[in-house]
Amino acid sequence: DTAVSQTPKYLVTQMGNDKSIKCEQNLGHDTMYWYKQDSKKFLKIMFSYNNKELIINETVPNRFSPKSPDKAHLNLHINSLELGDSAVYFCASSQDLLAANTGELFFGEGSRLTVL
Amino acid sequence: GEDVEQSLFLSVREGDSSVINCTYTDSSSTYLYWYKQEPGAGLQLLTYIFSNMDMKQDQRLTVLLNKKDKHLSLRIADTQTGDSAIYFCAENPSGTYKYIFGTGTRLKVLA
Repeated sequence: DTAVSQTPKYLVTQMGNDKSIKCEQNLGHDTMYWYKQDSKKFLKIMFSYNNKELIINETVPNRFSPKSPDKAHLNLHINSLELGDSAVYFCASSQDLLAANTGELFFGEGSRLTVL
Repeated sequence: GEDVEQSLFLSVREGDSSVINCTYTDSSSTYLYWYKQEPGAGLQLLTYIFSNMDMKQDQRLTVLLNKKDKHLSLRIADTQTGDSAIYFCAENPSGTYKYIFGTGTRLKVLA
């Protein structure tokens, strides 16, 4: 069983379209994240949720809207896609808000978004 | 803000040691981490060090921490071709609830 699973793995779309990426974790974790990895492999946090509550919103355009229907799911919806949105988007989870224990992050395999 | 800095590339021969360096930004981080990213995959935790330690050894991996200089290093002994990947250091500044990842070092191991 995959611990953190994302769909789709690949997404190719035109500028201006709206798309969603879904993420599910079966680890029983409280906290989930979205990270963006650009073509230079730089990894930047976008959002985090803890028990369905938004904790971090890291200066991301409001075209990006995360949604957490329950603590096992965190989806990312992107409106009006732009060329600069092309990247690999990683979902991750952690047991809690990193305040306790070693705060290990568990990553999904990534969703490669290409905007044409 | 400042970036967590790493050198971009490192190339070593199989069997040699690899040393990957990282300069982090926030001395309040309780733990510092090394993650490995293989091609087409997500990141996986490789090892971590508690901030009050200077060194941690875990099989072929040795982590050194210099808090004064905010310098973290990862040494891989007897590097194998399977170690070829991108390595990220990361910090979690106290109270921020997030990881700040380094710029990543691409390690290439030559047979």
